[in-house]
Amino acid sequence: GESVGLHLPTLSVQEGDNSIINCAYSNSASDYFIWYKQESGKGPQFIIDIRSNMDKRQGQRVTVLLNKTVKHLSLQIAATQPGDSAVYFCAENISGNQFYFGTGTSLTVIP
Amino acid sequence: ETGVTQSPTHLIKTRGQQVTLRCSSQSGHNTVSWYQQALGQGPQFIFQYYREEENGRGNFPPRFSGLQFPNYSSELNVNALELDDSALYLCASSPKGPSYNEQFFGPGTRLTVL
Repeated sequence: GESVGLHLPTLSVQEGDNSIINCAYSNSASDYFIWYKQESGKGPQFIIDIRSNMDKRQGQRVTVLLNKTVKHLSLQIAATQPGDSAVYFCAENISGNQFYFGTGTSLTVIP
Repeated sequence: ETGVTQSPTHLIKTRGQQVTLRCSSQSGHNTVSWYQQALGQGPQFIFQYYREEENGRGNFPPRFSGLQFPNYSSELNVNALELDDSALYLCASSPKGPSYNEQFFGPGTRLTVL
């Protein structure tokens, strides 16, 4: 299968700052992407998704950007809070029933 | 509405043994997917069940098998356990069939193979 990778394995930010987490994907046929948040001892939690016919989607304090030209995704978290500390994964959907996850980025918010 | 639940939470087995992990999907969710998450890695898709049949499989050997029951709950069975099978096993359910929809993950079962 195609791989999904993240540029930065760890990220530390000050509380209140904005966070940007990046993800590269390699399958140009991928048409649906999801960002997940995984806290210690828990399963991944859906944050936001985006389809390939869009280049930006906004949620509550989060924005996902998709650049299909360079096969790159980013997750922006505004006004990062201590509760945002977790591992973040991007996942790409290639066929109707399979998602491929990247390695993940560990976000630490410094109070 | 109850969330996805998995049992047991932790399990220790030895090489060569067999294990069965269980998942109860969220109420009304008819599709269940299983993932293996090794330490420090992202989840890797094992397979998905829809209407009690396997509906897609990742790159896992046949000793990984599963079932889905009429109430949509599911089991993951692993035979002839190997040390590398040590991982967090996650199940995820979705409500609208095996298309690309939001999946709701359970907390996982931590399997340790000695």
